Amino acid sequence: NAGVTQTPKFQVLKTGQSMTLQCAQDMNHNSMYWYRQDPGMGLRLIYYSASEGTTDKGEVPNGYNVSRLNKREFSLRLESAAPSQTSVYFCASSEGPGSGNTIYFGEGSWLTVV
Amino acid sequence: GDSVTQMEGPVTLSEEAFLTINCTYTATGYPSLFWYVQYPGEGLQLLLKATKADDKGSNKGFEATYRKETTSFHLEKGSVQVSDSAVYFCALTSANQAGTALIFGKGTTLSVSS
Repeated sequence: NAGVTQTPKFQVLKTGQSMTLQCAQDMNHNSMYWYRQDPGMGLRLIYYSASEGTTDKGEVPNGYNVSRLNKREFSLRLESAAPSQTSVYFCASSEGPGSGNTIYFGEGSWLTVV
Repeated sequence: GDSVTQMEGPVTLSEEAFLTINCTYTATGYPSLFWYVQYPGEGLQLLLKATKADDKGSNKGFEATYRKETTSFHLEKGSVQVSDSAVYFCALTSANQAGTALIFGKGTTLSVSS
């Protein structure tokens, strides 16, 4: 079972460049999420999509855009990368917005902006 | 807003020692509570969860009880192993926005030596 798959796993960008992180889940989940992980900060929510066709800002949305392409796929775009966006990015999914639903994570994408 | 506070690490233990990682939360409503574990270079895996007060979540020898009166969800294990070395995250589901998403603590690094 693939679960949540995100690409690329590693990327180095120059300041000002753009890129898209791709995420797909094969669990027929309704909700999908993008988090970033920084040392000493835990994981912080960037954007989420409660269901296909909807997206909402999380705690740290500035500098990012998202697209819920279909039920399976949820991409995260950096339009003009900045060094402050150097981080590990995790995509996640869950059955739906119910509070007891387990959220499943991908393996992470390590992004360095120089 | 909703938040999670967990004890800062690192926590260093010898094999077979008793483990406690403290976690307290602030939330409106009735959140579900989770412990996730992250092994080096990997994504987050659900360790255990509890969805209502007095529930006990358990998995792989780890336990945590949802204590509404003390707003706590402390993680315990009676006898740790070297393979338990990882970062542990306490989290709750927040339903303040259009959907629900996980709010994480900052993580506690556990290092177990033989």
